[in-house]
Amino acid sequence: SQKIEQNSEALNIQEGKTATLTCNYTNYSPAYLQWYRQDPGRGPVFLLLIRENEKEKRKERLKVTFDTTLKQSLFHITASQPADSATYLCALDGGFQKLVFGTGTRLLVSP
Amino acid sequence: DAGVIQSPRHEVTEMGQEVTLRCKPISGHNSLFWYRQTMMRGLELLIYFNNNVPIDDSGMPEDRFSAKMPNASFSTLKIQPSEPRDSAVYFCASTRDRSEKLFFGSGTQLSVL
Repeated sequence: SQKIEQNSEALNIQEGKTATLTCNYTNYSPAYLQWYRQDPGRGPVFLLLIRENEKEKRKERLKVTFDTTLKQSLFHITASQPADSATYLCALDGGFQKLVFGTGTRLLVSP
Repeated sequence: DAGVIQSPRHEVTEMGQEVTLRCKPISGHNSLFWYRQTMMRGLELLIYFNNNVPIDDSGMPEDRFSAKMPNASFSTLKIQPSEPRDSAVYFCASTRDRSEKLFFGSGTQLSVL
């Protein structure tokens, strides 16, 4: 069956460290993968998109990698700040314009 | 731009009642998506429209759920009759053709007692 897996346990890190979140998938062949941020009581907000022919993408303190052989994406936040505390969702192209989401990983950055 | 607008923000109803959720997509966006979010199952795609036409409703849980998009600026998701297991946050999202990223509304928190 098709699955998108993100670590359901919260990730706790100290301010200034690099946060690394993982997204693994099975039985999908996505043309692209996206990462979203969700704050409590709000809808997800788009952060980054990476395509299947791209290994890595960066935006300011964010970096995403995409390994289609391992069927895995890693999402990094460098020099993390308490304001980065949120739930981060990966989403992938499920075909026919459908975007399928993982359950998300909560990140807590303490001062 | 006001973004995707959903109403109501919160809805509390009793089992068996009809519930209607509303969504106004971003102007110029021609694809609209309804998602449901729960702790257990995360964000699930219920249905999506392209140019006001339903393209895929395979995520709609059962016949109690229906969705319409009578024009480019308005969509509804209706649950009739509602059940406690329908309690969740319902999100609407929109996007342009050939743009993969979605713009989400703030959601409707539905509680069915």
